[in-house]
Amino acid sequence: DAGVTQSPTHLIKTRGQHVTLRCSPISGHKSVSWYQQVLGQGPQFIFQYYEKEERGRGNFPDRFSARQFPNYSSELNVNALLLGDSALYLCASSLGVSQTQYFGPGTRLLVL
Amino acid sequence: GENVEQHPSTLSVQEGDSAVIKCTYSDSASNYFPWYKQELGKGPQLIIDIRSNVGEKKDQRIAVTLNKTAKHFSLHITETQPEDSAVYFCAASGVTGGGNKLTFGTGTQLKVEL
Repeated sequence: DAGVTQSPTHLIKTRGQHVTLRCSPISGHKSVSWYQQVLGQGPQFIFQYYEKEERGRGNFPDRFSARQFPNYSSELNVNALLLGDSALYLCASSLGVSQTQYFGPGTRLLVL
Repeated sequence: GENVEQHPSTLSVQEGDSAVIKCTYSDSASNYFPWYKQELGKGPQLIIDIRSNVGEKKDQRIAVTLNKTAKHFSLHITETQPEDSAVYFCAASGVTGGGNKLTFGTGTQLKVEL
């Protein structure tokens, strides 16, 4: 069975640009969460979506936004990229809001 | 909000020895405590989890203990093998109006030496 998939695997952008990251959850999972992992640190929560509705938001600026589609896949958008946005962006899927979260391989974003 | 502290930051053991990683959390409302293993260049992989109504859980060489009173939980790996070498993260969460946010510790780099 396929696990959580994310695309692209790597991405290089320049400051001020916009980026869209994509995630497909495990089949049957209806909740997707996004995390940012800076090198050497643990992942930090950005958003959680369930049934296309935002269920939680972490302490990130409004430049970060997300949405979930009817097929439960999700996009994370980041506007006006800063050097500090360079990180591994992880998507996690779960059956529901309170169930175990399974992570994808991540998208490594480098902002120059 | 929740704060999770994890120790040690690095741990080196000989193959076959046991390894213990400890975490403390601050929010008494947290009720779910997963442990993830992250290998270089990969996403975190769930290895074991425990909910607050259970004090201990074991899966082969891996066990987790939870002390709700002390707000403390630990990962125990017995008979360590070289393939156990990775970064391990503890996390805590509780479903609130803000969703099921996992708050992670800072990670422990485990190295199993031959």
